[in-house]
Amino acid sequence: DAGVTQSPTHLIKTRGQQVTLRCSPKSGHDTVSWYQQALGQGPQFIFQYYEEEERQRGNFPDRFSGHQFPNYSSELNVNALLLGDSALYLCASSRLTGGFPYEQYFGPGTRLTVT
Amino acid sequence: DAKTTQPNSMESNEEEPVHLPCNHSTISGTDYIHWYRQLPSQGPEYVIHGLTSNVNNRMASLAIAEDRKSSTLILHRATLRDAAVYYCIHIIAAGNKLTFGGGTRVLVKP
Repeated sequence: DAGVTQSPTHLIKTRGQQVTLRCSPKSGHDTVSWYQQALGQGPQFIFQYYEEEERQRGNFPDRFSGHQFPNYSSELNVNALLLGDSALYLCASSRLTGGFPYEQYFGPGTRLTVT
Repeated sequence: DAKTTQPNSMESNEEEPVHLPCNHSTISGTDYIHWYRQLPSQGPEYVIHGLTSNVNNRMASLAIAEDRKSSTLILHRATLRDAAVYYCIHIIAAGNKLTFGGGTRVLVKP
């Protein structure tokens, strides 16, 4: 079992550009959540996808959007990048159909640097 | 969002127990307590969770106070590999959103 995988590992973008990050969940998992982790801080919840729909959303602007595909993989898109978007972006998967509480499995993250 | 309070850091000697406290005074009867840890340069990993009773697994033990307003994660014999940031997370019933605080940075000395 490969666990949760994310791509790319690192990314450098310029302010104003757009970026797409990708996540493949652990086998058997149906839910993907995205988190942003600034240096020295705990991860902050961005949103969660289940059955190809956004199920919950944290306090992030509309520049942050996502998608979940029929195979449960997911993308995080960020438009009009700001310097403050530089962070580690973490994807976590879980199995909602398995019942509460839901243990989440995290990927290694994508390090985004905005210059 | 459900809020927890943890000390910023703790130190321990290798092979000694580590007790990590957490306050979650706003918890309600059906809310769970989860613990995750984040090793350097890795994503967080699940450690343990509980509702009312004390819980044990291969990684740690979780002791939950009778009033459920606090809990303690216990690492029975700390190893150098246990050096990480430990997050106590109060999850609202039937929710799946993890609200991370600052966590406790654990340093294990050889």
